Amino acid sequence: GEDVEQSLFLSVREGDSSVINCTYTDSSSTYLYWYKQEPGAGLQLLTYIFSNMDMKQDQRLTVLLNKKDKHLSLRIADTQTGDSAIYFCAELDQAGTALIFGKGTTLSVSS
Amino acid sequence: GAVVSQHPSRVICKSGTSVKIECRSLDFQATTMFWYRQFPKKSLMLMATSNEGSKATYEQGVEKDKFLINHASLTLSTLTVTSAHPEDSSFYICSARDPGADTQYFGPGTRLTVL
Repeated sequence: GEDVEQSLFLSVREGDSSVINCTYTDSSSTYLYWYKQEPGAGLQLLTYIFSNMDMKQDQRLTVLLNKKDKHLSLRIADTQTGDSAIYFCAELDQAGTALIFGKGTTLSVSS
Repeated sequence: GAVVSQHPSRVICKSGTSVKIECRSLDFQATTMFWYRQFPKKSLMLMATSNEGSKATYEQGVEKDKFLINHASLTLSTLTVTSAHPEDSSFYICSARDPGADTQYFGPGTRLTVL
């Protein structure tokens, strides 16, 4: 079945770049997503990438997709303390409707 | 962006009672809504897919008689946890699929605590 893997923790200093990595198993996924969850809150869609793209940039966020290796990454430039949160990557399931999530990467930003 | 609301945001109930959680899409019509459950320090687990006007599709291992889902309109889906027990305590999050944007938007979640 589909599976999404992420590293669980990342710690960076304020001002540095953060790179969160994700691998997925379903090569037929059309969309891949990054969500942010702040403590006690729901999920906020950060960005998504269509499977025929290699890269998408949106202000401080850069998403890289290596479809051959089924590897997705999220780079946050100039990381701020307000970026501290859990970041989930997700792929659409084979039916193309529901999302399959990784376990989430907890990003800790120190000043 | 699109907004999805959930109500209540937090609920505490006694064991054996039933709790209803509402999920609303506020500025788009969602033919499909999803219910997820999040355990502490773990990822989201899809519980069921709810299609307007039809029965929900439950994921393997989710008891349909315990977690009743109703999607009566294009902007409202409800999840009722029947005869709740402490092990049902969790964070329940809904999402609504915006067909126009072809993406899902999540509600803020409902924290259920069963005593």
